[in-house]
Amino acid sequence: AQSVTQLGSHVSVSEGALVLLRCNYSSSVPPYLFWYVQYPNQGLQLLLKYTTGATLVKGINGFEAEFKKSETSFHLTKPSAHMSDAAEYFCAVSTGGGADGLTFGKGTHLIIQP
Amino acid sequence: AAGVIQSPRHLIKEKRETATLKCYPIPRHDTVYWYQQGPGQDPQFLISFYEKMQSDKGSIPDRFSAQQFSDYHSELNMSSLELGDSALYFCASSLTSGGADQETQYFGPGTRLLVL
Repeated sequence: AQSVTQLGSHVSVSEGALVLLRCNYSSSVPPYLFWYVQYPNQGLQLLLKYTTGATLVKGINGFEAEFKKSETSFHLTKPSAHMSDAAEYFCAVSTGGGADGLTFGKGTHLIIQP
Repeated sequence: AAGVIQSPRHLIKEKRETATLKCYPIPRHDTVYWYQQGPGQDPQFLISFYEKMQSDKGSIPDRFSAQQFSDYHSELNMSSLELGDSALYFCASSLTSGGADQETQYFGPGTRLLVL
């Protein structure tokens, strides 16, 4: 079984400031980890993923995340926030066993202050 | 690039009615997943199909059933609808059988179901 914990249901940053969204996971097998973004009344868009290999992964829109096995974490960062980054962000985990459903965290609502 | 297509986008039903949601995966994807997202909630996995066979099962109510057809599209059938079934229903697809992008799920725009 796996689970995801996202610290902070709401995160507020100023435009141009660093964005840090936290995600910790629990998995009995090596996890596949994902970050998705959801804009209001829209579907889920994949930002980035970690499956195997390089632990620092880069995604779309300037986001990146680092898989840290020792900390069971997969935090999402962006050096400089933009107003268009305001959205709901979900961290998700799967076992990578093939066709397995994703387990999502509760989500973090990112607010960008002008 | 082609994305996951879901229909209808919006659906209004009465209690105890039935509903059928359709999902057309990205071309050449062999796996389909269904998720339910309640208001202000995270998506909850319902069920998945790989090569037309049920693969993984989550928190899908017994009143719901789904299948994947020979052209890989999938349908989620919901019977005896309850008020609590009002939610956004997402379909996702992936290529499970190999490649660098395997098991990455791409989501459709969702079907918003309102049960009155």
